[in-house]
Amino acid sequence: QKEVEQNSGPLSVPEGAIASLNCTYSDRVSQSFFWYRQYSGKSPELIMSIYSNGDKEDGRFTAQLNKASQYVSLLIRDSQPSDSATYLCAVNDNAGNMLTFGGGTRLMVKP
Amino acid sequence: KAGVTQTPRYLIKTRGQQVTLSCSPISGHRSVSWYQQTPGQGLQFLFEYFSETQRNKGNFPGRFSGRQFSNSRSEMNVSTLELGDSALYLCASSSGADTDTDTQYFGPGTRLTVL
Repeated sequence: QKEVEQNSGPLSVPEGAIASLNCTYSDRVSQSFFWYRQYSGKSPELIMSIYSNGDKEDGRFTAQLNKASQYVSLLIRDSQPSDSATYLCAVNDNAGNMLTFGGGTRLMVKP
Repeated sequence: KAGVTQTPRYLIKTRGQQVTLSCSPISGHRSVSWYQQTPGQGLQFLFEYFSETQRNKGNFPGRFSGRQFSNSRSEMNVSTLELGDSALYLCASSSGADTDTDTQYFGPGTRLTVL
């Protein structure tokens, strides 16, 4: 049974701070990793994808992947109140488009 | 490009009925995946269709079925509805060409309520 684990939160950070979101996965053959943001009542929106060990930066977002530790994280710099949402970590083992999702971390950015 | 569209956006049904949900992927995308989202179980994979063939299937009962048409549009059907089927049903579209790097984009979802 593939598992993706996230701390449910809420993670509360002040505006302008760095928010750090973490995710661990159980299946060593996992190859593709994704972070989605979901606002209440809305559908998931893709933020980042990462496939190789190391860091990948896109604007205020940085995804970090460590396949040896089976760990992926998302850093949000200069957090804004509009970043308040649930962040979902998803993993694909490339047997097709079958994402396994973590339960999500609720982020609250306080002005 | 237009995004993923799903119809209807909201549905109310009673136990025992059946329901059909529709998804139109992003133009040029050939893979459509379906997910169920509930507060208790989170986001769970139902099935994926690629080029009109079911390529993957999640751990759901046979009451949940789907199909894909030649224009890549997809439908999912739930028969003999149960109260526990109340959920947000999400469709995700991707190119389907390279599963190593394929990225799924979600539609707005269909909110199904079973009474």
